[in-house]
Amino acid sequence: SAVISQKPSRDICQRGTSLTIQCQVDSQVTMMFWYRQQPGQSLTLIATANQGSEATYESGFVIDKFPISRPNLTFSTLTVSNMSPEDSSIYLCSVESGTGPETQYFGPGTRLLVL
Amino acid sequence: DAKTTQPTSMDCAEGRAANLPCNHSTISGNEYVYWYRQIHSQGPQYIIHGLKNNETNEMASLIITEDRKSSTLILPHATLRDTAVYYCIVRLPYNQGGKLIFGQGTELSVKP
Repeated sequence: SAVISQKPSRDICQRGTSLTIQCQVDSQVTMMFWYRQQPGQSLTLIATANQGSEATYESGFVIDKFPISRPNLTFSTLTVSNMSPEDSSIYLCSVESGTGPETQYFGPGTRLLVL
Repeated sequence: DAKTTQPTSMDCAEGRAANLPCNHSTISGNEYVYWYRQIHSQGPQYIIHGLKNNETNEMASLIITEDRKSSTLILPHATLRDTAVYYCIVRLPYNQGGKLIFGQGTELSVKP
């Protein structure tokens, strides 16, 4: 299984600012994903981070609000832009090899509180 | 939207088997059944997955009915550390357009 780390593990931010979350994997993976988990809720897929191309966003999520980078096969970033208190959530990255009925592994998450 | 239905919560006595049901009556022939769990404040943890046959690993067993419209995750000897939210998910492989879509899951409480 892949070992995934995220930075920061938690942060408290002021509204109107932006935060970039990093996701690092210990091996090369084809697919990386970003999820959001709002307080007391289940996980919601934000986007798929594609290496060498634009991220693919799910309905309700836009690039201007959640820009994503994927510079190589082991690293991705998610930026939460122009934050408001509604963005307070846990943000999780996950990875998958993408070659079949593979397992998707999750990072520990980044807890974000926006004041 | 999630394609599965799970009970909101369940209790289990420590040391006993925990049987978590999941209904997925609209599952298609090439969709897999996956189970994950999320212990409080942590990222989801993969447990097991299957297509048609029953599966077993070091964590759990997955029993899929013959018509594939439902399944049961079995934790054979539940411990307090198994207290978590358990998610049943059906999906295609990613290279066939599949994604992990999480429902609300079952909150399992293992009690002494």
